[in-house]
Amino acid sequence: DAGVIQSPRHEVTEMGQEVTLRCKPISGHNSLFWYRQTMMRGLELLIYFNNNVPIDDSGMPEDRFSAKMPNASFSTLKIQPSEPRDSAVYFCASSLRSGGPEQGNTIYFGEGSWLTVV
Amino acid sequence: GQQLNQSPQSMFIQEGEDVSMNCTSSSIFNTWLWYKQDPGEGPVLLIALYKAGELTSNGRLTAQFGITRKDSFLNISASIPSDVGIYFCAGPKTGANNLFFGTGTRLTVIP
Repeated sequence: DAGVIQSPRHEVTEMGQEVTLRCKPISGHNSLFWYRQTMMRGLELLIYFNNNVPIDDSGMPEDRFSAKMPNASFSTLKIQPSEPRDSAVYFCASSLRSGGPEQGNTIYFGEGSWLTVV
Repeated sequence: GQQLNQSPQSMFIQEGEDVSMNCTSSSIFNTWLWYKQDPGEGPVLLIALYKAGELTSNGRLTAQFGITRKDSFLNISASIPSDVGIYFCAGPKTGANNLFFGTGTRLTVIP
C-alpha cells in the first residue's frame, strides 16, 4: 500500500517566492498533520486536520504560512513570501482516526519535503 | 508547554554493542511512543507504551514506560549498521491526537 506521499521532495527557492508543498495522505485516513523539522527546534507540529477540518493551527509560525485540505486525499502547505529561516524539512503525516495513540491510532509520516530558501 | 528531553544527544558505538537512551518529560504522559528516523526519511513508529511500568519488546528493541509516567527508556541490543538514525520519543497532547516529539538521539553504528 502507498504511504503518505509528499511533493516536491526537494525545493530550493529564492527569498520572497511562494512555496507550495503538497501531500496525499494514506487512503482512508481521516487525520492529517503538517510537521516541520529543524536542527534548532526539532520536530514541531504546525497544523492538523480531522475530516478535512483544521483543528489546531497554533503551531503555524505566522501569517505567511497557510494550509488547506480541500478533500480527504489532498492537502497543501503554502509559504508566501518565503524567508531563509523557513528552510527546513516539512513532513506530512496521517492517521486512520482522530483518536490518540492510546486507542492504537498510529501516525504515519511521509518522506518529507526538504526546503531551502536562499 | 510540554517538553521531552532525550539523552544522550548523540552516540557513536561499535557494531554489536548494546545501546540505551532515555527520555524525560516535564509533565505526565499517558502514552509513550518511540520513533526512528532513517537518514532522508520520515519517522517510523517502533514501539508504543500504554501503561506506567510497562516493558515492551520489538525484536532487538526494548522500551519501558516509567512508573512516574514522566520518563521512558529505549534499549537496542546487539546493534547493527542499519540501526543508524535518529530516535525520538513522543507523547500525545492531552485530549488530542497530535504528538509532542523529543529532542532526539542520533545513533551512529561503526561497522
